[in-house]
Formats: sequence, C-alpha cells, structure tokens
Amino acid sequence: DQQVKQNSPSLSVQEGRISILNCDYTNSMFDYFLWYKKYPAEGPTFLISISSIKDKNEDGRFTVFLNKSAKHLSLHIVPSQPGDSAVYFCAVRRVWDDKIIFGKGTRLHILP
Amino acid sequence: DTGVSQDPRHKITKRGQNVTFRCDPISEHNRLYWYRQTLGQGPEFLTYFQNEAQLEKSRLLSDRFSAERPKGSFSTLEIQRTEQGDSAMYLCASSPDGQPQHFGDGTRLSIL
Repeated sequence: DQQVKQNSPSLSVQEGRISILNCDYTNSMFDYFLWYKKYPAEGPTFLISISSIKDKNEDGRFTVFLNKSAKHLSLHIVPSQPGDSAVYFCAVRRVWDDKIIFGKGTRLHILP
Repeated sequence: DTGVSQDPRHKITKRGQNVTFRCDPISEHNRLYWYRQTLGQGPEFLTYFQNEAQLEKSRLLSDRFSAERPKGSFSTLEIQRTEQGDSAMYLCASSPDGQPQHFGDGTRLSIL
C-alpha cells in the first residue's frame, strides 16, 4: 500500500513558466511534509517543507501548499529555470519518530 | 565538506559475497537513517539510529542485513550472502531531532 503517491512520473515545463508538482497521501498521522530534489548520481537534497498546521510555505521561487482535507500537497516553482531539471520526491514524516516515507518521484524537465 | 559521507560510492560483487558500507553523518546529528532506492522508486526506509541505539528496522531488512552505529557517530551496513535483488542504491541520512534529513550521495551496489 502506497502511502505517498506522485501520479505524474514526469513533467515538462517551458523555462520561465510555473512548474506544479503534485502529491497525495493516505494517512492523517503525519506532521510534516517535505519535498526533496535529486540530481543523477547524487543523494536527495532537502528543498522545502511545511508543517501540518500550515497551508502554505514559501521560500524564494518555491512554494508548497498543503490541503489537509484532501490529503494533497503541491510544489510550485516559479519561474522555472534549467537547473530545476531533476527528480522531485514528495515525502511525509511520521509524528513520533521522524521517519520519512517517500513517493516515487516526478522527473521535471525544464525546456529552453 | 561537512555533509553526509558514504563509502564506497560503487560496489560490484558476486552473488553470495558479503559487503559492508560506511556512513559518516554530519557532526552532532544524533539520528542516522539507512534507505534503499531501486530504479523508479523513492528511497525506502531500512533502519534508523538515535545515537548508538537502533530503534527500528523495516521488514525490508532481512536477517542477512545488519547495521551498527557503535559510538553514535559513523554507521555501517552489512549485507551477508548477497543476492541479485540486493542490487540498489543504499542511502544514508542524518538529522538532529525534528529536523529535515540530510542525505549522502549513496553507495550503488551491483550484484553479478
């Protein structure tokens, strides 16, 4: 049973436009939601997170939105840049032990 | 460089051999995690340590797998009698309590 679902394996976006990556989760027992970015041959890099008590968190070009009633979160990148081309993992953190559960990832291609 | 360090980066071995990987976390990060990632999947939790105590092991961690963190600093992950299905990227991450995990670049294991 997949607790974190990223239904789009890949996404292509024109440079300068907005990239929107989506994620759904199934369990309400998570207190933190995170996005990681991964380049080939490197480990995942923490990008941005949001607490379950908030519905939006912004950091520069990156904004994460959380809809708890729908168990849905999204990552907005605006404007998209060539260096944003990577695999993006949505992840949720369990309340009691900081254990992270990852989705399968979405590969983002920024087109010139 | 004060990030999470993993050694070796690549390991090729014959089926049935034993392998050991090392992870050096960020200094003073009391939590250390091991994950496994296969093609097209997100990282999957294997086990984690709070200082030197191993607090949880995933069902993915068969009895051929053992992990240690003897002094609460670096950690080792050993796989005995390797099998084809063990081929994967093994990722280590560390964090202080309640903070996002920082990942190393992983050890890619290939079983011939």
